[in-house]
Amino acid sequence: DTAVSQTPKYLVTQMGNDKSIKCEQNLGHDTMYWYKQDSKKFLKIMFSYNNKELIINETVPNRFSPKSPDKAHLNLHINSLELGDSAVYFCASSQAGGENTIYFGEGSWLTVV
Amino acid sequence: AQSVSQHNHHVILSEAASLELGCNYSYGGTVNLFWYVQYPGQHLQLLLKYFSGDPLVKGIKGFEAEFIKSKFSFNLRKPSVQWSDTAEYFCAVNNNAGNMLTFGGGTRLMVKP
Repeated sequence: DTAVSQTPKYLVTQMGNDKSIKCEQNLGHDTMYWYKQDSKKFLKIMFSYNNKELIINETVPNRFSPKSPDKAHLNLHINSLELGDSAVYFCASSQAGGENTIYFGEGSWLTVV
Repeated sequence: AQSVSQHNHHVILSEAASLELGCNYSYGGTVNLFWYVQYPGQHLQLLLKYFSGDPLVKGIKGFEAEFIKSKFSFNLRKPSVQWSDTAEYFCAVNNNAGNMLTFGGGTRLMVKP
């Protein structure tokens, strides 16, 4: 069973559209994250949630809105998509505490045309 | 704020050559250090991590890393690389609260058969 699963894996959409990426983890972790990896492979944290509460919002445009219905799910909704939003979005999860490993999903390749 | 720098952006080696990838971090407090690997088209997987104890850490697939606190470094090493080690390697640092895993810019390793 996949520990951190996200859907869809590939998404091609037009500018201005609204889209969502779903993420679920079955590891029993308290903390979930969204990371963005750009075309140069640079990885940057977007959001961190602990027990459904937002912990970190790293200067992400408010077109990006995470939603955590329960601690096993963290979905990412993006409004009014722009060309610069094209990237790979990784969901991840971990137990609370800095020594704990963060487990990543397989990524969602978003292309905005 | 914490930051991570990886000095080698691209490394090309022949099989059986030895590998050392540099990683330096900047953070004033206690850190937890990680190396992740991303094979082409795949998600990030943990190679090894350090949070306390022996500063020489052994990971999967023959990789090891040494934490040198005085140099703020956590370099990754492998005595003899294989073609299958071709991938992107990311150094990362987390604080003890564990909610802010910060990645370096990545090093792309290509191993020629």
